[in-house]
Formats: sequence, structure tokens, C-alpha cells
Amino acid sequence: DIQMTQSPSSLSASVGDRVTITCRASQSISTYLNWYQQTPGKAPKLLIYAASSLQSGVPSRFSGSGSGADFTLTISSLQPEDFATYFCQQSYSSPYTFGQGTNLEIK
Amino acid sequence: QLQLQESGPGLVKPSETLSLTCAVSGYSIGRDYYWNWIRQPPGKGLEWIGSISHSGTTYFNPSLTTRVTLSLDTSKNLFSLMLASVTAADTAVYYCARLYITTWNKENWFDPWGQGTLVTVSS
Repeated sequence: DIQMTQSPSSLSASVGDRVTITCRASQSISTYLNWYQQTPGKAPKLLIYAASSLQSGVPSRFSGSGSGADFTLTISSLQPEDFATYFCQQSYSSPYTFGQGTNLEIK
Repeated sequence: QLQLQESGPGLVKPSETLSLTCAVSGYSIGRDYYWNWIRQPPGKGLEWIGSISHSGTTYFNPSLTTRVTLSLDTSKNLFSLMLASVTAADTAVYYCARLYITTWNKENWFDPWGQGTLVTVSS
């Protein structure tokens, strides 16, 4: 199985901050990497697919980059609704696997 | 608009079989795509359980393959999960989701997801 490791596991930030979350795969996965946002009690929501493509309806302050084994999710200017948990997921091979999550909290 | 909705018992006894269904609206599941189950134990991360294609081909997480059955009912436009011999470790929110796959380079992602249903394994 491909292991996905996110860092940090938790992060405190303020509204307006620029935030970066990283995700590392245990092997090269090209750009087969997706990012999801989850708020308490809700299902994950797709933010970024194929490493850097913004899902329709997602604000442009979200961006993704990377290829191979190292990826980043960046939020350019945090808004109150962005405080949530973020997961990366590899779609390179089965079984599909997720990172452990990054909990983004208000400072 | 494609929507998915999970349903099933919220409480299952140890050693019994967990059964859930995912009703799909806005798209005929027999036309295309892979239809998936993903779970999340309370306070923990996400685990992919398995996938069934529009034609009935199945793929499972090796960690669960001996206990999982997936099926498709195109007449009712729903797909189902059965997980046998459950233990407390199977307590989780269970989500169904579509796996969207691009035709040109096979990039793929889970979208949309159902709202999830909590299943507790307890006597």
C-alpha cells in the first residue's frame, strides 16, 4: 500500500494568514493526488484534484502543487470558513489511501 | 445533480453482518463510474473499503477483502455494502462516494460523497 504522510498534523493560524500543508507519498504517484476539506459532522469535500486542479465552486484562494512524491495545499488568505480538517488522498493505485489529516484551528 | 444518501442500521452486534445501502439520485449507476464505500472511525482518518463498477466489477481494500461484499441494484439505482463478522474496530461513519475517472489520463477522485452514516458495533 502507498502510505500518505501529512504535515503538520495540526496547525493554528489567524484569519488572513497564508497556510501551507504538505503531503508526502511513500513512492512516486505522478500527479494522482487529491485534497479534501472536512468540517465537523460533514462529509469530506473535494477541493483539488490531480494535484493542482481546482474543483468547480472552490474559492481561488485554495491551490495545490507538486508531483512525484511531494505535494502542497496552500490557502492564500484564511477565511473563517476554512478552519477544518484537510486530507490528501492518492489515486495512483489501489488500495486508495489517505493522509492522516491536518486539523487547521483558529489561533 | 448527482447526490448519494447512505442508509442502514446504526447499531450492529459483534460478530454480525453490517449492511448499508447508498441511494443515488441524478445519475443512473449502471451507465458509468465506480461506486465506493469509505469509512472513518470516530476522531480518526479515512479508510477506503472498496469499489464496484457500473458493470459489477469489484475491488477491495486487502485489509477487508475477506469480509466485504459489494453489490449493485440498477433497478433501484442503489449500491450496497455488507461487512461480515464485525467487531468494535468497525465502528465508524460510513460514506458512499462516486469515483470519477477521466478518460484521457485516468486521473480519478472521490466526488460527490454522501453525508455519511454512523454505525456502532456493540452488544
